[in-house]
Amino acid sequence: SQKIEQNSEALNIQEGKTATLTCNYTNYSPAYLQWYRQDPGRGPVFLLLIRENEKEKRKERLKVTFDTTLKQSLFHITASQPADSATYLCALGSTSGTYKYIFGTGTRLKVLA
Amino acid sequence: DTGVSQDPRHKITKRGQNVTFRCDPISEHNRLYWYRQTLGQGPEFLTYFQNEAQLEKSRLLSDRFSAERPKGSFSTLEIQRTEQGDSAMYLCASSLGQAEAFFGQGTRLTVV
Repeated sequence: SQKIEQNSEALNIQEGKTATLTCNYTNYSPAYLQWYRQDPGRGPVFLLLIRENEKEKRKERLKVTFDTTLKQSLFHITASQPADSATYLCALGSTSGTYKYIFGTGTRLKVLA
Repeated sequence: DTGVSQDPRHKITKRGQNVTFRCDPISEHNRLYWYRQTLGQGPEFLTYFQNEAQLEKSRLLSDRFSAERPKGSFSTLEIQRTEQGDSAMYLCASSLGQAEAFFGQGTRLTVV
C-alpha cells in the first residue's frame, strides 16, 4: 500500500541554522508534491509545490527538492527563526487514478532562540 | 478575506446526533476536498468534488457521512448518528485544477 514517511520525532534546531525535513514515499508515483505548515488547532497552510519534472524549488528562505528515483523530498528552511516552529506536512498528488492528496504524519520543528 | 472559510469552527454534540459542516471555497476554485485529521496524524482524505460532481470518496467513509456541493460553490458535510470515533478536525480545501490546495481553518468536532 502507499506509504509516506516523515520524521516522527520532533526536530529541534538552533536559531539561524538550516532545518532539513525529509519526506519518503513508497508504492506511489506522484506527479507533484506539496509542503504545508500547520500550527496547533489550525488548518494547514500551503508553502511550496514541486512537480515530478522539477528537481528544486525555492521561495524566500524555503527550498524543496524532489528526487523521484530515491522517492524522496527534502524541505529546507535556511536562517531558521523561532517563528518557524510548527508541524510541517508533505502531501503527494497524482494526475491519474485519484484526485486526492496523500499526507504524511508531519514533522514537528522547534527552533530554539 | 478571500481564503477558504469553514463554519462552525467548533462543534460539540451528543453521540447519536446529526451534525452538518459548511465550507466556502475560494470562489474561482473548481476543486473541493474534505479531509479529517486526528491528533498527531496527517489529514486523511474523505471526499473530492470537481465543480458540483462528487468524483471520489474514501473507502473509509461510512454511509453515515454524506457531502454535497450544490451548484459547484459551497459544500456541506453531514455526519449522521455521530459516534465518539468521529471526534476530529474536519478540514476543507480547494484548488484550481492540479495546483496547490488551500485549506480552511477546520471544524473541530467533539462527540460526547
